[in-house]
Amino acid sequence: DQQVKQNSPSLSVQEGRISILNCDYTNSMFDYFLWYKKYPAEGPTFLISISSIKDKNEDGRFTVFLNKSAKHLSLHIVPSQPGDSAVYFCAASAGAGSYQLTFGKGTKLSVIP
Amino acid sequence: DTEVTQTPKHLVMGMTNKKSLKCEQHMGHRAMYWYKQKAKKPPELMFVYSYEKLSINESVPSRFSPECPNSSLLNLHLHALQPEDSALYLCASSQGTGLTEAFFGQGTRLTVV
Repeated sequence: DQQVKQNSPSLSVQEGRISILNCDYTNSMFDYFLWYKKYPAEGPTFLISISSIKDKNEDGRFTVFLNKSAKHLSLHIVPSQPGDSAVYFCAASAGAGSYQLTFGKGTKLSVIP
Repeated sequence: DTEVTQTPKHLVMGMTNKKSLKCEQHMGHRAMYWYKQKAKKPPELMFVYSYEKLSINESVPSRFSPECPNSSLLNLHLHALQPEDSALYLCASSQGTGLTEAFFGQGTRLTVV
């Protein structure tokens, strides 16, 4: 049973526009969420995270929104740049001291110049 | 230094070989992880070391043997692997307590022939 779901395997966006990547989770114990970006043949790179006590966290062009009641989070990238083209993984963790990260299957973002 | 360094980057080994993957971080992180990632799939947790002690083993076959010689180093010893073990092996590290983002290395692309 997939506890973290990224239902869109791919997304294409025009350069300069907003990219919105979505993630849903089923485990109500999850209380910390992370987004990773991954280029081919490289390890995931941490982008941004959010704790369940917040509903928004912003870092430059990246903003993550968390809707706990809907068990949904989204990553907004504004403005999108060609260098943002990569696979984006949503990950979740449960409980203080937990080392377990549960990953979604990823969404491949293509930013078209 | 915010890097997790993995060596080698690529490895081809026969099913009777013994090899080791190495991982190093100098961020003072006290938790280190091995993940396995197959093509177009999310990373799957294999092992977690916390304060140099094995804290999580996700039912990984004994042909994979982790070792944590000190707080900065993590090894994965490989013996009698199968072709289906071919994958990208990712090392990660994070702060020792609480929930913080994990930093990933670039991975070792392993091919078992």
